[in-house]
Amino acid sequence: DIVMTQSPDSLAVSLGERATINCKSSQSVLSSSKNKNDLAWYQQKPGQPPKLLIYWASTRESGVPDRFSGSGSGTDFTLTISSLQAEDVAVYYCQQFYSSWTFGQGTKVEIK
Amino acid sequence: EVQLLESGGGLVQPGGSLRLSCAASGFTFSRYPMSWVRQAPGKGLEWVSAISGSGDTTYYADSVKGRFTISRDNSKNTVYLQMNSLTAEDTALYYCAKEKAVPTAIGDFWGQGTLVTVSS
Repeated sequence: DIVMTQSPDSLAVSLGERATINCKSSQSVLSSSKNKNDLAWYQQKPGQPPKLLIYWASTRESGVPDRFSGSGSGTDFTLTISSLQAEDVAVYYCQQFYSSWTFGQGTKVEIK
Repeated sequence: EVQLLESGGGLVQPGGSLRLSCAASGFTFSRYPMSWVRQAPGKGLEWVSAISGSGDTTYYADSVKGRFTISRDNSKNTVYLQMNSLTAEDTALYYCAKEKAVPTAIGDFWGQGTLVTVSS
């Protein structure tokens, strides 16, 4: 199974500042046939189901604000919130879909 | 508007069984794979099972293989999860998720979940 490891487990960022979350997979999730990374990011607010933010490592889902961006390839990926808003307080998960589904352990983002 | 409504959760004794349902609306149900993902209290997300749009192909996490069965009835726009031989480790909020058409294997809409508690 592909293991996904996120860092940090939590971070506190001031409003308007940048938040960066890292995700590392135990093996490459780059699909050679598609030349795309099978990596997604979700946001989960308290008491709510997860919400898809990004897939193929950097493709923003429809309706997701452009302050959310994804980058990386192979085994190392990053979710960046360019200017943190109060409504972005949540737990963020990465997920690989290269082989079945596995999620990272989550990163809790709070306001400093 | 896409809606997913899970039901069937509850309290069950270890070794018991439950059948979860997820009623879908707002999209052409038979065209999309569906998945179940669970979240133990205060913990992260764990994928459980998935089924193709036609229902011909199913997938399971190792942790539930041989105990859980996913199925769907496209005439009723409903996906099911039959859970047998339940243990305390199966206690979780169970989410139903619609997968995207392209790429598949990611959930673009999720229900609110149904809580399963396994306890004597």
